[in-house]
Amino acid sequence: EAQVTQNPRYLITVTGKKLTVTCSQNMNHEYMSWYRQDPGLGLRQIYYSMNVEVTDKGDVPEGYKVSRKEKRNFPLILESPSPNQTSLYFCASSGRGEQYFGPGTRLTVT
Amino acid sequence: QKEVEQNSGPLSVPEGAIASLNCTYSDRGSQSFFWYRQYSGKSPELIMSIYSNGDKEDGRFTAQLNKASQYVSLLIRDSQPSDSATYLCAVSGGSNYKLTFGKGTLLTVNP
Repeated sequence: EAQVTQNPRYLITVTGKKLTVTCSQNMNHEYMSWYRQDPGLGLRQIYYSMNVEVTDKGDVPEGYKVSRKEKRNFPLILESPSPNQTSLYFCASSGRGEQYFGPGTRLTVT
Repeated sequence: QKEVEQNSGPLSVPEGAIASLNCTYSDRGSQSFFWYRQYSGKSPELIMSIYSNGDKEDGRFTAQLNKASQYVSLLIRDSQPSDSATYLCAVSGGSNYKLTFGKGTLLTVNP
C-alpha cells in the first residue's frame, strides 16, 4: 500500500529535550515536506526537500532541522523544543505536484 | 506573500443538497490547484486537483478554475453527512511544488 508513515503519532516532552519525528514514504517520491498545523493559522510549511541532499526552508523553519540522506526518509529534528512548538505535524511527499500526507504527529512541549 | 483565502464557515447544508466551497488566490503565476478534505484530528486527504481553466468532475465532486478571476471552487453534489469535514484549498506556483494552503472551510451536512 502506497503511504507516508510518521512516528511517533503522539509525543509529550519537556522544554529543551531533543527529539526526532521520523517520516518515511514508499512511493519513490523525490519531493518531501514538513508542515505544522495550528488552530486559526492553518497548515504552514516548515522545510521541504526536492530530492536527496537538497533541502530548503519553508515559511516557519525556526527551531527545526531536517536531513534527507535517503529518498524515502525525511526526519524532522527539534534540537531544543519550546512550548510554542506544540502543534500537529504532518509529513508529505509528492511525485508530480500532488502531495500526500502522513497521519500526523501530535506534539506537546511542556 | 502568496495568499489563499477561503470562507472559514461553518457552511451548513442539508443532506442531498449541493455544497459550494470557494477559494481565491493572490499569485497570478499559480499553476496547480488542489482540494483536500480533512476530518477532525486526521491528515488532509487529496480529493481533487485541477490545472487548467474550466470544470473537472470526479464522482460527486466538481472542481472549477478561473485563472482570470483567480478563483477556484469545489462543488459537492448529493451531500452526505460523511462529507462533513474541513475542506482545504491549496495552490502551487512553480517547479518547487510548494503548496500554499487556505485556512479551510468547515462543512456540516445535516441529515
